[in-house]
Parts: sequence; C-alpha cells; structure tokens
Amino acid sequence: AAGVIQSPRHLIKEKRETATLKCYPIPRHDTVYWYQQGPGQDPQFLISFYEKMQSDKGSIPDRFSAQQFSDYHSELNMSSLELGDSALYFCASRGGTSRDNEQFFGPGTRLTVL
Amino acid sequence: GEDVEQSLFLSVREGDSSVINCTYTDSSSTYLYWYKQEPGAGLQLLTYIFSNMDMKQDQRLTVLLNKKDKHLSLRIADTQTGDSAIYFCGSGGGADGLTFGKGTHLIIQP
Repeated sequence: AAGVIQSPRHLIKEKRETATLKCYPIPRHDTVYWYQQGPGQDPQFLISFYEKMQSDKGSIPDRFSAQQFSDYHSELNMSSLELGDSALYFCASRGGTSRDNEQFFGPGTRLTVL
Repeated sequence: GEDVEQSLFLSVREGDSSVINCTYTDSSSTYLYWYKQEPGAGLQLLTYIFSNMDMKQDQRLTVLLNKKDKHLSLRIADTQTGDSAIYFCGSGGGADGLTFGKGTHLIIQP
C-alpha cells in the first residue's frame, strides 16, 4: 500500500539559511499534518491543512510557513534557520471520510543545522 | 493546554505481557492513539480507540480506556524482541494535531 512520502530524507543547512521540506500524502488523503521531533523528544504538532486550508495550528515558529497545494502535497518552508531547528520533521496524512481517524506518518526528514 | 503523561521506561521478559500506561488531561479528545517508533524510524500507528469505548483488542494488542480517570493502557501479549521500541500515547482527532506523551521505552529481557 502507498505510504506518505517525504523529501528530502536528510538535509544539512547552515544557520540563517532556508529549507523547504515536502510531503506527499497517501492517495485520496486530504488532510496533512506537520510535526517536529527533537532528539529524545516526543513529536510536537506544528500545523495541519484540510482541503488546502489551514485547519489547526500548534507550536509552529513565525519563521516557518506551510501550505497545501491543489494536488494535496504540502511544503514546510523554514527560514532563518537556528541550531535548535535540528530535528526530525514528520508529515502525516489522514483520509477524507468521517470514519478515517488514523494519522499515518511518513518516514521523516532529518534536518541538521550547522 | 493538553498534557499527556507516560512513564519513560518499562522492562519485561520475553514472552511476558507488557502494559504501557498513559494519562491525559483533555476530556474532549475524540480519539486516543498508540504509536510505535523504532530507532531512527518514523511513527507506526499501532491502534486507536474512540473515546466512548472501554476496550479494543487487535491480535496481541489490547487497549483499555478509563475515561473517568483519563487513563489509557496498551497491553502487548507474549512480548517479543521485535516489540522493543518507544511507544507514544497520543490524543486528539479529526483535523486537529495530536498531542503526544514523552514516550515509553520498552526494553525486552531475554
């Protein structure tokens, strides 16, 4: 079965640079979520989109922005990167019916900021 | 805000049952989830339970929910070495992001 695809899988940036992470949800899933997991930490919810509109907002810094496109893929844009942004960034997707309650996670993008 | 608490470590012998516990604060959570994370990997959804259910069983996994005490548990029967991982309890549902606990490291002794 198709899973959530994230790219790139690994990314190395320097402080103050920008980064763009991409997420391709499971086909026919219309809700996308972004999470950040620091080393040894639990995943922290950043932001979610349903049908291309922002639906819930968590602890996303102002330096970060995200959007969902017409094909339902999503991009997380991160600017003025800081050392503390080094983390695993997960995307999850959920189906579009009221019975679809599972969030399926992608493999994550490991961002290292030097 | 929402808070989810788990104990950090659990050590069990291979073949025994493992019981991982979780407490949460948000009584409006629609669903409660258990995810498994192996080293360097993503989060694998194990199971979830609707907040008006008390129990859900799926093969070796049994989820118990005490809504009054806001307590959730995951029982893994006949624990195997492949069950060694971090187990995250999560609450939320719908288009809302999930709130996770800190994760319980399950350690299997031979």
